[in-house]
Amino acid sequence: GQSLEQPSEVTAVEGAIVQINCTYQTSGFYGLSWYQQHDGGAPTFLSYNALDGLEETGRFSSFLSRSDSYGYLLLQELQMKDSASYFCAPGGAGSYQLTFGKGTKLSVIP
Amino acid sequence: EAQVTQNPRYLITVTGKKLTVTCSQNMNHEYMSWYRQDPGLGLRQIYYSMNVEVTDKGDVPEGYKVSRKEKRNFPLILESPSPNQTSLYFCASSFRSPANTGELFFGEGSRLTVL
Repeated sequence: GQSLEQPSEVTAVEGAIVQINCTYQTSGFYGLSWYQQHDGGAPTFLSYNALDGLEETGRFSSFLSRSDSYGYLLLQELQMKDSASYFCAPGGAGSYQLTFGKGTKLSVIP
Repeated sequence: EAQVTQNPRYLITVTGKKLTVTCSQNMNHEYMSWYRQDPGLGLRQIYYSMNVEVTDKGDVPEGYKVSRKEKRNFPLILESPSPNQTSLYFCASSFRSPANTGELFFGEGSRLTVL
């Protein structure tokens, strides 16, 4: 079967660093995606890891460990506009879909 | 501008009155999909389509129908809506299977209320 876990809420201070963890169990795992969604908005793609290691895109980085079925999204130099929900989404072979977690609501406080 | 367009954005309807939510993409994407989002449940896939005339069920297909007669369009049909289908619906597309690329392009969402 499939399972997916990420924290439901995280609060961090503006300018700080926050890490959002994701553990998954996905048949025929291909890779792990991360999406951002602001309240009332559409999810937008942030990153995709198919290989182990860290991928950096500006202030955001994403990490994957295939052997541990674990990944994380790292947000640096937090800004108020980073307050949003963040979803990890593993993709599995043959399923033609991404499975989205329930999301982590990040609140950035002054 | 590359986009996924859904209509209507907001709709209030009554139980049993058939409705269609349209979705169109202008990126020549092969893959299209419908999700519903409910508080505390995240995004759940309803149906997806790998290409024209190829559709398949996602995780929560009950009460919904889809068709893919043209590459750019993927309408979601609620033949007899019920209150438990009150939700925020998203259409999404990608060039090929998002399991391989990780990237989906989402529409702005359609908020449906069934009374």
